[in-house]
Amino acid sequence: DAGVIQSPRHEVTEMGQEVTLRCKPISGHNSLFWYRQTMMRGLELLIYFNNNVPIDDSGMPEDRFSAKMPNASFSTLKIQPSEPRDSAVYFCASSLPNSGRDTIYFGEGSWLTVV
Amino acid sequence: AQRVTQPEKLLSVFKGAPVELKCNYSYSGSPELFWYVQYSRQRLQLLLRHISRESIKGFTADLNKGETSFHLKKPFAQEEDSAMYYCALSGFGTYKYIFGTGTRLKVLA
Repeated sequence: DAGVIQSPRHEVTEMGQEVTLRCKPISGHNSLFWYRQTMMRGLELLIYFNNNVPIDDSGMPEDRFSAKMPNASFSTLKIQPSEPRDSAVYFCASSLPNSGRDTIYFGEGSWLTVV
Repeated sequence: AQRVTQPEKLLSVFKGAPVELKCNYSYSGSPELFWYVQYSRQRLQLLLRHISRESIKGFTADLNKGETSFHLKKPFAQEEDSAMYYCALSGFGTYKYIFGTGTRLKVLA
């Protein structure tokens, strides 16, 4: 398996533009996570899905952020409108189903810069 | 409250010196603890998990339930160990992983 695949790897956009980040989890994994990594706050969980259903979105910063998982092999994280403070690395991760006692596998991240 | 605490943001040691990265946790149930490592501009990857009780790249970590700690140790640091290290917790019956804020380890020549 190629692992968790994220796109784009790097994105530079202007404030106010819409940003869409994409993720393909590892085949067979039914838990998917979106994390944001910044120098100030470290690694923050934004949202996680189980069987394509959002289970906990309490980490989503505000209404400008939205996430979807239309099927088991694809998820998106959208920011609209984007702001400079959204600049961060966004990681997608997936894990195997087994009552939570599983390793979580990360993608390589999407490096977002909002100018 | 569920929480993972890594008190040190940065730890600098000389090559060949022992390393200990601290991790304390707060969890009401039976947690599983992990250490993840992130080399420069790469993805986070699993270093080790307490349930497997193995040594990876010379690193070990012992779960101390009395002190609610899961410190990461290595007797002799190498320059290639320089990276960001995250302690994480997962609870039985949940799908949620809680990460600490990370400790950056710098191994000096």
